[in-house]
Amino acid sequence: NAGVTQTPKFRVLKTGQSMTLLCAQDMNHEYMYWYRQDPGMGLRLIHYSVGEGTTAKGEVPDGYNVSRLKKQNFLLGLESAAPSQTSVYFCASSSAPPSSLHFGNGTRLTVT
Amino acid sequence: AQSVTQPDIHITVSEGASLELRCNYSYGATPYLFWYVQSPGQGLQLLLKYFSGDTLVQGIKGFEAEFKRSQSSFNLRKPSVHWSDAAEYFCAVGRTGANNLFFGTGTRLTVIP
Repeated sequence: NAGVTQTPKFRVLKTGQSMTLLCAQDMNHEYMYWYRQDPGMGLRLIHYSVGEGTTAKGEVPDGYNVSRLKKQNFLLGLESAAPSQTSVYFCASSSAPPSSLHFGNGTRLTVT
Repeated sequence: AQSVTQPDIHITVSEGASLELRCNYSYGATPYLFWYVQSPGQGLQLLLKYFSGDTLVQGIKGFEAEFKRSQSSFNLRKPSVHWSDAAEYFCAVGRTGANNLFFGTGTRLTVIP
């Protein structure tokens, strides 16, 4: 009964370093999303995917890349981390919209 | 463009008191509306949703919300708050043909004994 699993839970990067966040879901959902959550700003969509092999930009895509090579996985990459990317990142999945989203527990990223 | 406004950043209520969290949306057609709750260090959990039909919807944990088209609102209510309800609450809106939800900025609920 895992649902949506995000790894890692915490990460600290230095400016300019790269990293990849992994999201895995076991609900056979077609749609997957990456959001970032910042104080006072709610959740903002970074990128999303409507199926295996597809990706699309959300509201705040700059500085991030994503891949959906397998239906159950959605990866978020930062090629050159910046302090402005310090945030909590949430992955979510859903059936075809307007279904409700199922969220992971988040990854807290700090960029120094 | 659609948007979601949660005008209350922080609300404090006494345990046992009633609760109403406000949510207003901006969208031309009938939206799909959601309320999520986030406990500290956790992801968001769905409380309830409105797609169509009865404008008063019941959710988990004793919460309900009412869709009022004339006021573009979808306020969340609970008749008697429990200490475990302390969390952050997010309203979200979606629409047919859109691939994502738009979230409000959240309301943090503090419950005092």
